[in-house]
Amino acid sequence: QLQLQESGPGLVKPSETLSLTCTVFGGSISSSSYYWDWIRQPPGKGLEWIGSMYYSGNSHYNPSLKGRVTISVDTSKKKFSLKLSSVTAADTAVYYCARRDGSGYDWFDPWGQGTLVTVSS
Amino acid sequence: DIQMTQSPSSLSASVGDRVTITCRASQSISNYLNWYQQKPGKAPKLLIYAASSLQSGVPSRFSGSGSGTDFTLTISSLQPEDFATYYCQQSYSNPYTFGQGTKLEIK
Repeated sequence: QLQLQESGPGLVKPSETLSLTCTVFGGSISSSSYYWDWIRQPPGKGLEWIGSMYYSGNSHYNPSLKGRVTISVDTSKKKFSLKLSSVTAADTAVYYCARRDGSGYDWFDPWGQGTLVTVSS
Repeated sequence: DIQMTQSPSSLSASVGDRVTITCRASQSISNYLNWYQQKPGKAPKLLIYAASSLQSGVPSRFSGSGSGTDFTLTISSLQPEDFATYYCQQSYSNPYTFGQGTKLEIK
């Protein structure tokens, strides 16, 4: 059964770059049927889609993040990564990685357990 | 961006009750609508995809319906483990957007 696990620093200073990695266990990251996505949830709030990566390297990002996001994939290590630059307190959130179905209805399943990133000096 | 609005934002119900949560899209999204359940401190879990298809392993008391702009998630007979927050998500167009959530609490 496919599982995802996020890793990375839990504390980032304002104006710096947030970097997280998601490792895929129990399945292939190179499947043509899926995309690999990041989603975040500020404490006590709702869910915001950040962006996605296809195994071939094609990526799509939420315009609301104004060009601060980069998602990359390392198929040999079965990992994909998120970088979010120029962070502020508003970027404090639980960050989830998830697999997105590419058949057309684009649901997210499964999800990683999430990792809390706090932006503070 | 397509805005997703859920109602109610919170709901109190008892074990055994039938509960319906509504999700409305700001424009027609056909049946490109998915539902998730989230429990405190946990990641969301997929319940329903394509508006009405039950994800494998999800109890049959959960059902979804709707198309266009109006959708519903129904739990036919609430169980203690169903008290959680529920989110809808549109997959019609980028960026994918979620409803604000409906918190289902024990009465």
